[in-house]
Amino acid sequence: GQQLNQSPQSMFIQEGEDVSMNCTSSSIFNTWLWYKQDPGEGPVLLIALYKAGELTSNGRLTAQFGITRKDSFLNISASIPSDVGIYFCAGQDQGAQKLVFGQGTRLTINP
Amino acid sequence: EAQVTQNPRYLITVTGKKLTVTCSQNMNHEYMSWYRQDPGLGLRQIYYSMNVEVTDKGDVPEGYKVSRKEKRNFPLILESPSPNQTSLYFCASSLSSAQGTSGELFFGEGSRLTVL
Repeated sequence: GQQLNQSPQSMFIQEGEDVSMNCTSSSIFNTWLWYKQDPGEGPVLLIALYKAGELTSNGRLTAQFGITRKDSFLNISASIPSDVGIYFCAGQDQGAQKLVFGQGTRLTINP
Repeated sequence: EAQVTQNPRYLITVTGKKLTVTCSQNMNHEYMSWYRQDPGLGLRQIYYSMNVEVTDKGDVPEGYKVSRKEKRNFPLILESPSPNQTSLYFCASSLSSAQGTSGELFFGEGSRLTVL
């Protein structure tokens, strides 16, 4: 099946630093989404992107839908302790009845 | 409160002993799906359902069954569990779109299954 390559797999940063992660695919997607999973809980949707080139913000989070439709980026500015968790990208192509998820990026923050 | 509820949250069982993980949503969503989460592999889809009585295989359906007799419920059945089905399982639901899921999935809290 389709695969998404998400990087980095893990990040260890200091509180207050900015964070960048990305997701690439060998195939085109019409929709890109970013989810966050807090420890012991299910993933929660952070941002959804529906148009190539789209740049969307949600508070300190900013995500972009790549022009080629094969990649997406998520940036977190001025990280805080509650940003800890696993971040997943997900893609959906037209006609597909499911989302394809990346492997996840585990974010750890040192206070 | 809008939610997806899974039970049990934790289960330890033995090889071959049939088990069912229940999933219920109260948002009147048409689309429901099961995923398993394993380290380094992300979330992989097991089965999904577009609506009542409509189910289809995801990427890793072997060893699992599902049913969708009612809109709100989507149980996952392991007829003869094996150790390679030890995993963290998530049920999710969403509104439907022309593509199936709107993409905006609501996840349950997860069910951690260990098969000895």
